[in-house]
Amino acid sequence: QTVVTQEPSFSVSPGGTVTLTCGLSSDSVSTTHYPTWYQQTPGQAPRTLIYSTNSRSSGVPDRFSGSILGKKAALTITGAQADDESDYYCVLYLGGGMVFGGGTKLTVL
Amino acid sequence: QLQLQESGPGLVKPSETLSLTCTVSGDSISTSSSYYWSWIRQPPGKGLEWVGNIYYSGSTHYNPSLKSRVTISVDTSKNQFSLKLSSVTAADTAVYYCARLRNSALYDFDYWGQGTLVTVSS
Repeated sequence: QTVVTQEPSFSVSPGGTVTLTCGLSSDSVSTTHYPTWYQQTPGQAPRTLIYSTNSRSSGVPDRFSGSILGKKAALTITGAQADDESDYYCVLYLGGGMVFGGGTKLTVL
Repeated sequence: QLQLQESGPGLVKPSETLSLTCTVSGDSISTSSSYYWSWIRQPPGKGLEWVGNIYYSGSTHYNPSLKSRVTISVDTSKNQFSLKLSSVTAADTAVYYCARLRNSALYDFDYWGQGTLVTVSS
């Protein structure tokens, strides 16, 4: 089964910029995989940040952006804030099903 | 405002069948041709795993790793959809979420239930 890869952890300073990536074990990520990014805080259901590669979900601050960088999907946070400290998951549409990445734990310090 | 609510036993014995229901309010499953209705799970302290989807017509897609044990069904008269997972083990202990998946080239889980913890233990 195809594996969706994410960095297990990342750290960013307040006000800094960080790019999280979402890759495939056996292929390049493209827009046809409709990469979607979710933010999850402890005890809560995930919420959509970015869908269909680069469309920001309603109410999501514009410091969050999505793109394809090389062979991977990317989530960039520009001007990180303390409450961005969360788990971030990408999900890809693959062969009629959905496959989540393992998630990235982002620390803001 | 669309709302989804999971319900079902919080404790299931090993080798038995896990059964959960998701009740949808604020929209009708039977008229929502732009959406799939999904189950997603998250073991304690671990990541998210897609379990499967169902369309209002009853057509389904399942995670290949769970396909032999999973059945998702829909009851449009009650505006509910359900998950059955057979032959459970401790590895099936997780928070189970129901969610709405937008299709039409979007593939975004845009609404989620609050999640329900199911523990597999004797």
